[in-house]
Amino acid sequence: GDSVTQMEGPVTLSEEAFLTINCTYTATGYPSLFWYVQYPGEGLQLLLKATKADDKGSNKGFEATYRKETTSFHLEKGSVQVSDSAVYFCALRGNNAGNMLTFGGGTRLMVKP
Amino acid sequence: NAGVMQNPRHLVRRRGQEARLRCSPMKGHSHVYWYRQLPEEGLKFMVYLQKENIIDESGMPKERFSAEFPKEGPSILRIQQVVRGDSAAYFCASSPPWPAGKDTQYFGPGTRLTVL
Repeated sequence: GDSVTQMEGPVTLSEEAFLTINCTYTATGYPSLFWYVQYPGEGLQLLLKATKADDKGSNKGFEATYRKETTSFHLEKGSVQVSDSAVYFCALRGNNAGNMLTFGGGTRLMVKP
Repeated sequence: NAGVMQNPRHLVRRRGQEARLRCSPMKGHSHVYWYRQLPEEGLKFMVYLQKENIIDESGMPKERFSAEFPKEGPSILRIQQVVRGDSAAYFCASSPPWPAGKDTQYFGPGTRLTVL
């Protein structure tokens, strides 16, 4: 079945550091790929998405490129802020999955001033 | 346009009691999804419903769990005879009908269930 693997956290960075959170997936065909962010005590918010190979999703300075050859969708940001501290989830919607999402385990990011 | 509403936000039950979790989708959305998040884990799909229909319940435990989305009113996730292992955050998401709803799910704030 479909699965998503993302790097374990927590990831601790200083403000203005470069961020990479790795995400790889297993799925048949061409799934759609997502990054969601969860702030403490809140629900999930869609951060960005890509629906076909080589697409780049971007939002609020975050970027991720859909790499079919490496089955990856790594999240990057050039300069993190304290306000980016949250849990980040990589997810996919498989071709045969209706509209259900399969999530990775989440990566907690802590940004220190 | 109000977002996805869930209530209660926090629910405490003793073992053997029933838990009812409610989800009101965004206006115009006719599709509802329920996910469960165990402590320190990602979300796991439970069930996908349209108005008055269960479309996919492949993630629902076989016993004690049920879900509905009536023609009028919110979607309800019902857990009978709760056990400590049911303690988790339960998230609801909604989307408009396809094709507009494809790859578009909006999540509510979740209900955090604690079983004593």
